[in-house]
Amino acid sequence: EAQVTQNPRYLITVTGKKLTVTCSQNMNHEYMSWYRQDPGLGLRQIYYSMNVEVTDKGDVPEGYKVSRKEKRNFPLILESPSPNQTSLYFCASSLSSPDEQFFGPGTRLTVL
Amino acid sequence: QKEVEQDPGPLSVPEGAIVSLNCTYSNSAFQYFMWYRQYSRKGPELLMYTYSSGNKEDGRFTAQVDKSSKYISLFIRDSQPSDSATYLCAMDSGYALNFGKGTSLLVTP
Repeated sequence: EAQVTQNPRYLITVTGKKLTVTCSQNMNHEYMSWYRQDPGLGLRQIYYSMNVEVTDKGDVPEGYKVSRKEKRNFPLILESPSPNQTSLYFCASSLSSPDEQFFGPGTRLTVL
Repeated sequence: QKEVEQDPGPLSVPEGAIVSLNCTYSNSAFQYFMWYRQYSRKGPELLMYTYSSGNKEDGRFTAQVDKSSKYISLFIRDSQPSDSATYLCAMDSGYALNFGKGTSLLVTP
């Protein structure tokens, strides 16, 4: 089944404790992206990747890191999480351009 | 000014009504226009995809793009309770999708 998977789905952590949210797709997509979704602010792009080893900042990259060492995986790293990073995070992928993105199920992160 | 504007609603309609959802945008470089549907506690899923000005129909859904007015619409005919969701418009800038904030729709039986 074609899908984008994210882990964990739910995470409660404390300020400053490094964490990684994994994202994997099995559709051989070149384009991958991370978003955060907050009430009243909608979906905002954090980082995107056009292909392996090619990443770039989205609208809200501060406090986040990404890497794209393999085509299928695009982990999101929070080196020192803060409470303002409490949010619902989505990973998405598409064949080669940003349109027609497939979204993962989301990761709900709470930073205390 | 945000590049994509969308009224967040909520919009409540009775079953069977015609629903109209709209977005405006400011960047004339946008070429591809999409509507995503997001059910509660789920990721967005692509509903409609259009490239040029005009209408595109898929079952009960019609997407309309007016590039001269920088205005896009999604019409839902014979709305059903299962259409209750948040609808997000999105536009492709070439390297990223620019999303509207989403309109929450509730269709009551």
